[in-house]
Amino acid sequence: AQSVTQLDSQVPVFEEAPVELRCNYSSSVSVYLFWYVQYPNQGLQLLLKYLSGSTLVKGINGFEAEFNKSQTSFHLRKPSVHISDTAEYFCAVSRRSNDYKLSFGAGTTVTVRA
Amino acid sequence: DTAVSQTPKYLVTQMGNDKSIKCEQNLGHDTMYWYKQDSKKFLKIMFSYNNKELIINETVPNRFSPKSPDKAHLNLHINSLELGDSAVYFCASSSSTASYNSPLHFGNGTRLTVT
Repeated sequence: AQSVTQLDSQVPVFEEAPVELRCNYSSSVSVYLFWYVQYPNQGLQLLLKYLSGSTLVKGINGFEAEFNKSQTSFHLRKPSVHISDTAEYFCAVSRRSNDYKLSFGAGTTVTVRA
Repeated sequence: DTAVSQTPKYLVTQMGNDKSIKCEQNLGHDTMYWYKQDSKKFLKIMFSYNNKELIINETVPNRFSPKSPDKAHLNLHINSLELGDSAVYFCASSSSTASYNSPLHFGNGTRLTVT
Protein backbone atom coordinates (compact mmCIF):
# COMPACT_ATOMS: atom_id res chain seq x y z
CA ALA A 1 0.00 0.00 0.00
CA GLN A 2 1.09 3.57 -0.52
CA SER A 3 0.81 6.47 1.88
CA VAL A 4 1.18 10.21 1.58
CA THR A 5 2.45 12.66 4.18
CA GLN A 6 1.99 16.38 3.84
CA LEU A 7 4.41 17.88 6.28
CA ASP A 8 2.68 21.21 6.83
CA SER A 9 -0.95 21.40 7.86
CA GLN A 10 -1.11 25.20 7.56
CA VAL A 11 1.01 27.65 5.59
CA PRO A 12 0.35 31.38 5.98
CA VAL A 13 2.04 33.50 3.34
CA PHE A 14 2.01 37.11 2.19
CA GLU A 15 0.84 38.08 -1.26
CA GLU A 16 3.59 37.98 -3.91
CA ALA A 17 5.83 35.85 -1.67
CA PRO A 18 6.91 32.36 -2.75
CA VAL A 19 5.36 29.26 -1.26
CA GLU A 20 6.44 25.62 -1.01
CA LEU A 21 4.17 22.80 0.12
CA ARG A 22 5.93 19.60 1.09
CA CYS A 23 4.76 16.11 0.23
CA ASN A 24 6.47 12.79 0.91
CA TYR A 25 5.19 9.38 -0.06
CA SER A 26 5.98 5.78 0.68
CA SER A 27 5.32 2.92 -1.67
CA SER A 28 6.79 -0.45 -2.46
CA VAL A 29 6.16 0.08 -6.17
CA SER A 30 6.54 2.95 -8.61
CA VAL A 31 3.87 5.60 -8.36
CA TYR A 32 2.15 8.42 -10.14
CA LEU A 33 1.96 11.70 -8.22
CA PHE A 34 -0.61 14.48 -8.22
CA TRP A 35 -1.46 17.78 -6.60
CA TYR A 36 -5.08 18.86 -6.28
CA VAL A 37 -6.46 22.19 -5.04
CA GLN A 38 -9.73 22.73 -3.20
CA TYR A 39 -11.06 26.27 -3.10
CA PRO A 40 -13.54 27.13 -0.32
CA ASN A 41 -16.85 25.29 -0.68
CA GLN A 42 -15.80 23.58 -3.88
CA GLY A 43 -14.60 20.19 -5.03
CA LEU A 44 -10.99 19.37 -5.86
CA GLN A 45 -9.32 20.36 -9.13
CA LEU A 46 -6.16 18.88 -10.60
CA LEU A 47 -3.18 21.27 -10.42
CA LEU A 48 -0.54 19.02 -11.97
CA LYS A 49 0.65 15.44 -12.22
CA TYR A 50 3.88 13.51 -12.58
CA LEU A 51 3.73 10.37 -14.69
CA SER A 52 7.26 9.95 -16.07
CA GLY A 53 10.02 11.88 -17.80
CA SER A 54 11.15 15.29 -16.60
CA THR A 55 11.08 15.49 -12.83
CA LEU A 56 9.93 19.12 -12.92
CA VAL A 57 6.30 19.43 -13.88
CA LYS A 58 4.36 22.59 -14.48
CA GLY A 59 0.69 22.96 -13.71
CA ILE A 60 -2.06 25.51 -13.85
CA ASN A 61 -2.02 28.92 -12.14
CA GLY A 62 1.78 29.14 -12.10
CA PHE A 63 2.37 26.12 -9.87
CA GLU A 64 5.13 23.58 -10.40
CA ALA A 65 6.32 20.51 -8.56
CA GLU A 66 9.50 18.48 -8.53
CA PHE A 67 9.65 14.72 -8.21
CA ASN A 68 12.63 13.49 -6.20
CA LYS A 69 12.82 9.72 -6.28
CA SER A 70 15.69 9.37 -3.80
CA GLN A 71 13.87 11.47 -1.24
CA THR A 72 10.42 10.14 -2.21
CA SER A 73 9.13 13.68 -2.35
CA PHE A 74 6.91 15.73 -4.64
CA HIS A 75 6.99 19.29 -3.32
CA LEU A 76 4.76 21.97 -4.81
CA ARG A 77 5.99 25.52 -5.39
CA LYS A 78 4.81 28.86 -6.66
CA PRO A 79 7.23 31.79 -6.93
CA SER A 80 4.66 34.50 -6.22
CA VAL A 81 1.23 33.84 -4.72
CA HIS A 82 -2.01 35.77 -5.07
CA ILE A 83 -4.88 36.20 -2.66
CA SER A 84 -6.86 33.86 -4.92
CA ASP A 85 -4.42 31.03 -4.14
CA THR A 86 -5.94 30.74 -0.67
CA ALA A 87 -7.17 27.15 -0.64
CA GLU A 88 -6.56 23.61 0.58
CA TYR A 89 -3.90 21.68 -1.33
CA PHE A 90 -3.79 17.90 -1.49
CA CYS A 91 -0.96 15.66 -2.60
CA ALA A 92 -2.06 12.29 -3.97
CA VAL A 93 -0.43 9.06 -5.09
CA SER A 94 -1.51 6.09 -7.13
CA ARG A 95 0.35 2.89 -7.92
CA ARG A 96 1.66 2.10 -11.37
CA SER A 97 -0.66 -0.76 -11.97
CA ASN A 98 -4.15 -1.44 -13.17
CA ASP A 99 -5.37 -1.33 -9.63
CA TYR A 100 -6.63 2.20 -9.54
CA LYS A 101 -6.68 3.79 -6.12
CA LEU A 102 -5.76 7.38 -5.43
CA SER A 103 -4.49 7.97 -1.89
CA PHE A 104 -4.63 11.53 -0.62
CA GLY A 105 -2.52 13.31 1.95
CA ALA A 106 -4.18 15.16 4.82
CA GLY A 107 -4.01 18.49 3.01
CA THR A 108 -2.22 21.81 3.54
CA THR A 109 -4.22 24.97 4.15
CA VAL A 110 -2.63 27.95 2.39
CA THR A 111 -3.78 31.36 3.54
CA VAL A 112 -2.52 34.31 1.50
CA ARG A 113 -2.59 37.70 3.19
CA ALA A 114 -2.21 41.14 1.65
CA ASP B 1 -22.79 23.87 -17.26
CA THR B 2 -21.72 22.06 -14.09
CA ALA B 3 -19.67 18.99 -15.01
CA VAL B 4 -20.27 16.98 -11.83
CA SER B 5 -23.28 18.03 -9.82
CA GLN B 6 -24.39 16.74 -6.44
CA THR B 7 -27.61 17.31 -4.57
CA PRO B 8 -28.29 18.36 -1.95
CA LYS B 9 -25.46 20.71 -1.04
CA TYR B 10 -26.35 20.54 2.65
CA LEU B 11 -28.14 17.75 4.49
CA VAL B 12 -29.03 17.92 8.17
CA THR B 13 -30.77 14.92 9.65
CA GLN B 14 -31.21 12.94 12.83
CA MET B 15 -29.57 9.70 13.86
CA GLY B 16 -31.35 6.63 12.60
CA ASN B 17 -32.76 8.26 9.49
CA ASP B 18 -32.15 7.08 5.92
CA LYS B 19 -30.97 9.60 3.34
CA SER B 20 -29.72 9.73 -0.24
CA ILE B 21 -27.26 11.93 -2.08
CA LYS B 22 -27.49 12.18 -5.85
CA CYS B 23 -24.68 12.71 -8.33
CA GLU B 24 -24.73 13.32 -12.06
CA GLN B 25 -21.92 13.98 -14.51
CA ASN B 26 -22.28 15.36 -18.04
CA LEU B 27 -18.70 14.70 -19.11
CA GLY B 28 -19.39 11.37 -20.78
CA HIS B 29 -17.08 9.64 -18.30
CA ASP B 30 -17.19 5.90 -17.67
CA THR B 31 -16.07 5.92 -14.07
CA MET B 32 -17.61 7.55 -11.02
CA TYR B 33 -16.58 7.67 -7.37
CA TRP B 34 -17.70 8.60 -3.91
CA TYR B 35 -15.20 10.09 -1.48
CA LYS B 36 -15.68 11.02 2.17
CA GLN B 37 -13.89 14.05 3.62
CA ASP B 38 -13.84 14.13 7.41
CA SER B 39 -13.64 17.11 9.73
CA LYS B 40 -9.84 17.12 9.43
CA LYS B 41 -10.19 17.35 5.64
CA PHE B 42 -8.84 13.84 5.13
CA LEU B 43 -10.19 12.35 1.89
CA LYS B 44 -10.89 8.67 1.57
CA ILE B 45 -12.38 6.75 -1.33
CA MET B 46 -15.55 4.83 -0.58
CA PHE B 47 -16.75 3.40 -3.88
CA SER B 48 -15.99 3.41 -7.55
CA TYR B 49 -18.17 2.33 -10.45
CA ASN B 50 -17.05 1.73 -14.01
CA ASN B 51 -19.81 1.44 -16.61
CA LYS B 52 -22.35 0.83 -13.83
CA GLU B 53 -20.26 -1.96 -12.28
CA LEU B 54 -18.79 -1.71 -8.81
CA ILE B 55 -14.98 -1.86 -9.00
CA ILE B 56 -13.85 -0.39 -5.69
CA ASN B 57 -15.57 -0.95 -2.39
CA GLU B 58 -13.39 0.16 0.47
CA THR B 59 -14.15 -0.93 4.01
CA VAL B 60 -17.37 1.02 4.22
CA PRO B 61 -20.23 -0.10 6.49
CA ASN B 62 -22.96 -1.84 4.54
CA ARG B 63 -25.33 0.90 5.68
CA PHE B 64 -23.86 2.75 2.69
CA SER B 65 -25.15 1.53 -0.64
CA PRO B 66 -24.19 3.09 -3.95
CA LYS B 67 -26.49 2.79 -6.93
CA SER B 68 -25.64 3.53 -10.53
CA PRO B 69 -28.72 3.52 -12.75
CA ASP B 70 -26.60 4.56 -15.74
CA LYS B 71 -23.08 5.76 -16.52
CA ALA B 72 -23.93 9.37 -15.81
CA HIS B 73 -25.36 8.84 -12.34
CA LEU B 74 -24.04 7.45 -9.08
CA ASN B 75 -26.23 7.89 -6.04
CA LEU B 76 -25.34 7.16 -2.43
CA HIS B 77 -27.94 5.85 -0.03
CA ILE B 78 -27.21 5.75 3.68
CA ASN B 79 -29.33 3.76 6.13
CA SER B 80 -29.57 4.23 9.89
CA LEU B 81 -27.42 7.34 9.96
CA GLU B 82 -24.92 7.69 12.81
CA LEU B 83 -23.15 10.72 14.28
CA GLY B 84 -19.87 9.51 12.77
CA ASP B 85 -21.33 9.75 9.30
CA SER B 86 -21.16 13.54 9.52
CA ALA B 87 -18.73 14.62 6.80
CA VAL B 88 -18.54 16.14 3.35
CA TYR B 89 -19.21 13.59 0.63
CA PHE B 90 -17.72 14.20 -2.79
CA CYS B 91 -18.75 12.60 -6.03
CA ALA B 92 -16.14 12.45 -8.79
CA SER B 93 -15.77 11.07 -12.28
CA SER B 94 -12.98 10.19 -14.68
CA SER B 95 -12.81 8.92 -18.23
CA SER B 96 -11.08 5.69 -17.25
CA THR B 97 -10.24 3.64 -14.22
CA ALA B 98 -6.56 4.44 -14.59
CA SER B 99 -5.79 7.61 -12.69
CA TYR B 100 -2.78 8.44 -14.83
CA ASN B 101 -4.91 8.60 -17.95
CA SER B 102 -7.49 10.93 -16.66
CA PRO B 103 -7.76 13.28 -13.70
CA LEU B 104 -10.69 13.13 -11.34
CA HIS B 105 -13.42 15.76 -11.76
CA PHE B 106 -15.08 16.49 -8.46
CA GLY B 107 -18.49 17.82 -7.55
CA ASN B 108 -18.80 20.59 -4.99
CA GLY B 109 -19.64 18.22 -2.16
CA THR B 110 -22.58 17.46 0.10
CA ARG B 111 -22.14 18.47 3.73
CA LEU B 112 -23.96 15.89 5.83
CA THR B 113 -24.63 16.71 9.47
CA VAL B 114 -26.16 14.04 11.68
CA THR B 115 -27.60 15.25 14.98
